[in-house]
Amino acid sequence: QSVLTQPPSVSGAPGQRVTISCTGSSSNIGAVYDVHWYQQLPGTAPKLLIYGNNNRPSGVPDRFSGSKSGTSASLAITGLQAEDEADYYCQSYDSSLSGYVFGIGTKVTVL
Amino acid sequence: QVQLVQSGAEVKKPGASVKVSCKASGYTFRSYGISWVRQAPGQGLEWMGWTSGNNDNRNYAQKVQGRVTMTTDTSTSTAYMELRSLRSDDTAVYYCARVSMVQGVTPRLFDSWGQGTLVTVSS
Repeated sequence: QSVLTQPPSVSGAPGQRVTISCTGSSSNIGAVYDVHWYQQLPGTAPKLLIYGNNNRPSGVPDRFSGSKSGTSASLAITGLQAEDEADYYCQSYDSSLSGYVFGIGTKVTVL
Repeated sequence: QVQLVQSGAEVKKPGASVKVSCKASGYTFRSYGISWVRQAPGQGLEWMGWTSGNNDNRNYAQKVQGRVTMTTDTSTSTAYMELRSLRSDDTAVYYCARVSMVQGVTPRLFDSWGQGTLVTVSS
């Protein structure tokens, strides 16, 4: 069981917008800690997608965006493309556990 | 460019130990920490711990505390993760990841990842 809750799956047609939620608590997202997002394509290592709630590393398309409010964060993908089919993980830090924590992951399916 | 190259797959018996290596290149090794993250088959990511690049600080997840040791060798820019008393539920792909600090952002982030090392624990 992860301390960060994500929906197991979301889906959308090409071109649509999908969002993935990441819900935490007062010891992680609701505290001073930011949220990062990672994309894991099938059979590959995770890749940093969004850092510090809403910042994109160089090379990440602006179709990906993030936000944080209270004890939750969200990742949005606009103009969904077939290549976006992957697992997405949120990550933060938990002061009660004194360590980094990941969400359970959300599988994005492009219909 | 930053690159992390991990050692090959391992098959171990229950109760044995495994040591996975992660060789870094393309950056100043001492300036960044290394975290280890594992992924059981069909499951999500689990953070295991962190060690500083110059090997003077580390922090382990409660779940593996007492069974894991993470070290770095600055002379070869290589990080190591040793897991002892292996159990079947330790079967997973183990990733190393570079830990980066960005001003104004907390916590640190994992901005480069190794290719992963499959460790299978089976009798």
